[in-house]
Amino acid sequence: RKEVEQDPGPFNVPEGATVAFNCTYSNSASQSFFWYRQDCRKEPKLLMSVYSSGNEDGRFTAQLNRASQYISLLIRDSKLSDSATYLCVVNPSGSARQLTFGSGTQLTVLP
Amino acid sequence: ETGVTQSPTHLIKTRGQQVTLRCSSQSGHNTVSWYQQALGQGPQFIFQYYREEENGRGNFPPRFSGLQFPNYSSELNVNALELDDSALYLCASSLGDRGYGYTFGSGTRLTVV
Repeated sequence: RKEVEQDPGPFNVPEGATVAFNCTYSNSASQSFFWYRQDCRKEPKLLMSVYSSGNEDGRFTAQLNRASQYISLLIRDSKLSDSATYLCVVNPSGSARQLTFGSGTQLTVLP
Repeated sequence: ETGVTQSPTHLIKTRGQQVTLRCSSQSGHNTVSWYQQALGQGPQFIFQYYREEENGRGNFPPRFSGLQFPNYSSELNVNALELDDSALYLCASSLGDRGYGYTFGSGTRLTVV
């Protein structure tokens, strides 16, 4: 079983749609959680951290369920510029930032 | 403030050869982490250097080795290259071993033929 599992997609949605990505992780001792965005042939960039209380940044909402070891990302009112691969990322260790990435979910927002 | 820079950007090597990839950390950062990203996969953690010492290693064989220099720049060396080593190699720098300001460079794309 992979340490971090994501639905690979692709997700093809029209502009303005709401889309949700899910992720599960296997290490129950994992300490911190993130969503990264990666554009084609570019480096990953931090989209947002994920907290147990849930957090929102504009059109993006992230949720963490530690009991189910489940992380989600919701994108509302999707834009063409949201087209990218979204990587679910877990830091298993409480100290050093040694990240475990999922394989990513590809999103294409269509005009 | 300069970001994380990696060199070269692209590289083609033959199976069995050795390669050295370089990373200059962002100004003020003292920790460097290396990742390998195969096509269609997420990045996989190779190892991390903090204050010039290895501070953790992922599931990679010993032919993957590294160094960190006093100016916190870093090298990744891969010996006896295999076709499966073809990937994007990403370096990330941060401040301290808790990863403050964790920032990726744009990567080196290695092709082994």
